[in-house]
Amino acid sequence: NAGVTQTPKFQVLKTGQSMTLQCAQDMNHEYMSWYRQDPGMGLRLIHYSVGAGITDQGEVPNGYNVSRSTTEDFPLRLLSAAPSQTSVYFCASSGQGFSPLHFGNGTRLTVT
Amino acid sequence: GQQLNQSPQSMFIQEGEDVSMNCTSSSIFNTWLWYKQDPGEGPVLLIALYKAGELTSNGRLTAQFGITRKDSFLNISASIPSDVGIYFCARNSGGSNYKLTFGKGTLLTVNP
Repeated sequence: NAGVTQTPKFQVLKTGQSMTLQCAQDMNHEYMSWYRQDPGMGLRLIHYSVGAGITDQGEVPNGYNVSRSTTEDFPLRLLSAAPSQTSVYFCASSGQGFSPLHFGNGTRLTVT
Repeated sequence: GQQLNQSPQSMFIQEGEDVSMNCTSSSIFNTWLWYKQDPGEGPVLLIALYKAGELTSNGRLTAQFGITRKDSFLNISASIPSDVGIYFCARNSGGSNYKLTFGKGTLLTVNP
């Protein structure tokens, strides 16, 4: 099983450019979420989705958009990249109740 | 958000030593989760605790949910080089694990 797949693994952007980080899961999980990880900060929740067509903001949503048109996919869009968005981004998914959160292997983004 | 205070920030130990790390909060929680992140990968769930006073083991790992519901610790016995990584405590929001708040992590280095 592939689990949670994130692409690309690495990306460099110039300030003001836009891009989409892709995330797909093959476990038929209802819940999907995006976190960013910065040194010494742990992981912080950006956006999450409780099912197709439903999204909501997490702790640090500004500068990011999401949509959930299918159960499998949950892309994260940066509309106008800023250096403060340099980070490692993790997508995660989980089933119902207390089933564990499964993480992808991350996208390392640098904005210059 | 409600912060989780995780300590220590980093540890350097010799192979074979035991390790202890902990997480505290000013708020009462119903769940404590412990994750490990290997270099270059996403976090993986090690142990989940759902009941005050609960003591749970997973191989050489043991975690406890504090009786006050405001703290948790994770112990690793007889450390080995593959224990290297970042360990995070986390708590969920509401009744499911898709929306987590993480501590800032403990970086563990094991010298062979």
